[in-house]
Amino acid sequence: QKEVEQNSGPLSVPEGAIASLNCTYSDRGSQSFFWYRQYSGKSPELIMFIYSNGDKEDGRFTAQLNKASQYVSLLIRDSQPSDSATYLCAVKGSSGSARQLTFGSGTQLTVLP
Amino acid sequence: ETGVTQSPTHLIKTRGQQVTLRCSSQSGHNTVSWYQQALGQGPQFIFQYYREEENGRGNFPPRFSGLQFPNYSSELNVNALELDDSALYLCASSRSRRDNSPLHFGNGTRLTVT
Repeated sequence: QKEVEQNSGPLSVPEGAIASLNCTYSDRGSQSFFWYRQYSGKSPELIMFIYSNGDKEDGRFTAQLNKASQYVSLLIRDSQPSDSATYLCAVKGSSGSARQLTFGSGTQLTVLP
Repeated sequence: ETGVTQSPTHLIKTRGQQVTLRCSSQSGHNTVSWYQQALGQGPQFIFQYYREEENGRGNFPPRFSGLQFPNYSSELNVNALELDDSALYLCASSRSRRDNSPLHFGNGTRLTVT
């Protein structure tokens, strides 16, 4: 079982719609969760991070965390063509001194004008 | 505030050669992590450096090695290059190895092994 799983997509939504991106993780003790956006050929760019159960909103982005279900999601409201990118879910592990980030393989989002 | 910088941006090497990639961490960050990202995949953790010592390692062979310097900059060295080493190599820095602060990535080095 992969440690962090995402639907690879591609996910297509029309401009102005809500895009919903989902992620599950296997390490029940994980404490911190991150969403990165990566444009083709570029490096990952941090969008949101969430540490507590519930919702966290930042502009058009909302991160949702449910630790009991080991599930984290990202909602993008009023999607724009410029949001077209690969979205990476990352989880910081609970054990070991490094507590490195483990990434999913990403969901490719296309916002259609 | 200066972000994470990596050099070179692109590199082409031949199988069997050795390569050194460089990274300068963001101001105020003392922890540097290296990731390998193959095409179509998420970044895979190689190792992390804190106070000039390796502080955790992913599932990579010993021919992947690194250094961290007193100014927190870092190098990734790969010996005996293989075709599968072709990837985007990402350096990321963070304020601390222990807290939950996010990683901030540099622009990466695209390595092609022929």
